Amino acid sequence: ELKVEQNPLFLSMQEGKNYTIYCNYSTTSDRLYWYRQDPGKSLESLFVLLSNGAVKQEGRLMASLDTKARLSTLHITAAVHDLSATYFCAVLRSGTYKYIFGTGTRLKVLA
Amino acid sequence: NAGVTQTPKFQVLKTGQSMTLQCAQDMNHEYMSWYRQDPGMGLRLIHYSVGAGITDQGEVPNGYNVSRSTTEDFPLRLLSAAPSQTSVYFCASSYSMGLAGGYNEQFFGPGTRLTVL
Repeated sequence: ELKVEQNPLFLSMQEGKNYTIYCNYSTTSDRLYWYRQDPGKSLESLFVLLSNGAVKQEGRLMASLDTKARLSTLHITAAVHDLSATYFCAVLRSGTYKYIFGTGTRLKVLA
Repeated sequence: NAGVTQTPKFQVLKTGQSMTLQCAQDMNHEYMSWYRQDPGMGLRLIHYSVGAGITDQGEVPNGYNVSRSTTEDFPLRLLSAAPSQTSVYFCASSYSMGLAGGYNEQFFGPGTRLTVL
């Protein structure tokens, strides 16, 4: 059974600090996705990572993928309050059309 | 483009009632899916479709039915509502599920908050 685990589940950080969210998955996967969800809102796509060593960056967020370690990271640089949200990683189970989501990391950036 | 739309936004049902959650997309996406979101559990896949006339089960299909008669619409039916189905339901779509390539990022609707009493 494919499991996707994120840690930490909750993260409270000061503005200007750096931090990393981790996403581990238990079996092979074709691709990995990161989404953002604001409170009471829907999910918005952030990154799609297709291959080992893939790195994508958008503003203060950078995502990477290590398929051998079955690990993706979402790095936050110099956090700002607007980054406060819940971040989900999702994995496409290899050979299927099924996405499996992690439990999410709730990030709160304090001014 | 309206993107992915869902109706209703809120719904309260009594145990045993049935209802249909509507989902539509105007992006000509082949792949559509339904998720439920419960606190502390992320999103769990209920059913999905890779094209008109083709549907399959996800992780948590029991108590739900789907059909896909057109590319645009993918309704989710609750056959006999139970309190355990209280949740927020999201519909999503993506352009292509060709496994050989493509990004296949999903676009999500605004969600339906369902309470079953």
